[in-house]
Amino acid sequence: GQNIDQPTEMTATEGAIVQINCTYQTSGFNGLFWYQQHAGEAPTFLSYNVLDGLEEKGRFSSFLSRSKGYSYLLLKELQMKDSASYLCAVKLTGGGNKLTFGTGTQLKVEL
Amino acid sequence: ETGVTQSPTHLIKTRGQQVTLRCSSQSGHNTVSWYQQALGQGPQFIFQYYREEENGRGNFPPRFSGLQFPNYSSELNVNALELDDSALYLCASSLGIGSGEKLFFGSGTQLSVL
Repeated sequence: GQNIDQPTEMTATEGAIVQINCTYQTSGFNGLFWYQQHAGEAPTFLSYNVLDGLEEKGRFSSFLSRSKGYSYLLLKELQMKDSASYLCAVKLTGGGNKLTFGTGTQLKVEL
Repeated sequence: ETGVTQSPTHLIKTRGQQVTLRCSSQSGHNTVSWYQQALGQGPQFIFQYYREEENGRGNFPPRFSGLQFPNYSSELNVNALELDDSALYLCASSLGIGSGEKLFFGSGTQLSVL
C-alpha cells in the first residue's frame, strides 16, 4: 500500500520559520506536490518536486530526497494568513497525474 | 481565465437517496479528477476523466459514477447514499494527464448525509 506521513498539527509564531515534514513509502514515485488549504476552501498549489534538491519560491521552499522518501515545506517570515492545512501529495509511476495525499498538517500561526 | 467551479456548494441528503455534483473545468483544461475529503483527512482519489473517458479509478464502490461532457465539464453521481459519504467533494482540472501537470481545485461541494 501507499503510506504518506506528516504531522497532524504544528504551531508557530508570526515572523518565524517553520518546517513541515512529509515522509512517503510508495510503490513507484513520479513527483511530490505541496498544497495549501484554508478551512472551507480549495487546495491551492504551492510547489512541485520531482528531482532531489530545494525549490524556492518567495517565502516558500520545498525540498525532496527520493532516496530517503522525504520532503519538507519551509515557510519563512510567517504571517497570520499562513494558518492553514498543508497537504503533501505524491504522484505514483504509471498513475498519470492522480495524487495520493497525506492527511495534512494543520498549521496555526500565533502572535 | 475562469477557474474551476463546482455546484452546489452545500447539499443535505438522506440515506438511500441519490446525488449529482457538478464541476466546470478551468478554461483550456481537458482533464477532470474527483476527490473525496472527509473531515480532518487528505483528499482521496475517486476517479479521473480525460477527453470524456474514465482514466483511472480509486478504491470507491460502483455506486460512485461520473461523466465528462464534450465541453470537459463533469458530473459525479452517488447512488444509495450512506452516512459515511458525508464529506467535501473536490473537483480538480488539469491541462492533461502528464505527470507534471498541476491540478487546479474547485472549492468543493459539502455533502451531508442524514
